[in-house]
Amino acid sequence: GDSVTQMEGPVTLSEEAFLTINCTYTATGYPSLFWYVQYPGEGLQLLLKATKADDKGSNKGFEATYRKETTSFHLEKGSVQVSDSAVYFCALINAGGTSYGKLTFGQGTILTVHP
Amino acid sequence: KAGVTQTPRYLIKTRGQQVTLSCSPISGHRSVSWYQQTPGQGLQFLFEYFSETQRNKGNFPGRFSGRQFSNSRSEMNVSTLELGDSALYLCASSSLGTREGNEQFFGPGTRLTVL
Repeated sequence: GDSVTQMEGPVTLSEEAFLTINCTYTATGYPSLFWYVQYPGEGLQLLLKATKADDKGSNKGFEATYRKETTSFHLEKGSVQVSDSAVYFCALINAGGTSYGKLTFGQGTILTVHP
Repeated sequence: KAGVTQTPRYLIKTRGQQVTLSCSPISGHRSVSWYQQTPGQGLQFLFEYFSETQRNKGNFPGRFSGRQFSNSRSEMNVSTLELGDSALYLCASSSLGTREGNEQFFGPGTRLTVL
């Protein structure tokens, strides 16, 4: 079945540091890929998405590129802020026959940014 | 446009009871998916409804059920509650109900505690 693997956390950075959170996936067919973010006590917010190979999703300074050859979708940000502290989830949805409405998530990476 | 709403936000039940959670999708969205989030298992897909039909179901026991109404609002029900059912239950809606690349928008969740 489909699966998503994220780098283990937690990740602790100083403000203005560079962020990378690794994400790799296993899926049949041509999945669409997403990054979601969850702030304490809230639901998930879509951060960015990519629907085909070599697409780059970007939002709020975050970027991720769909790399089919390495089955990866790493999240990056050039300069993090304290307000970026949250849990980040990589996810995919597949075009396969049993995939209606089913996002498959990674385990989540806790990011803490210190001033 | 209003986001996805879930009621109630918090719920405390005892073992053996049953519970019903409600989800109102974004206006115009016809697909509703449900997820269970726990510290141990992460985010797991429960089921998806589109136009009042369940199109996909995750690997959960039959105690977990759901339905969707003609206005796209959805409910999920858990019967004979167990301690392990304590979790954050998240509902997500999407517009087209297609499998490919269609992002899901999440509600704030219902925090269920089973005592």
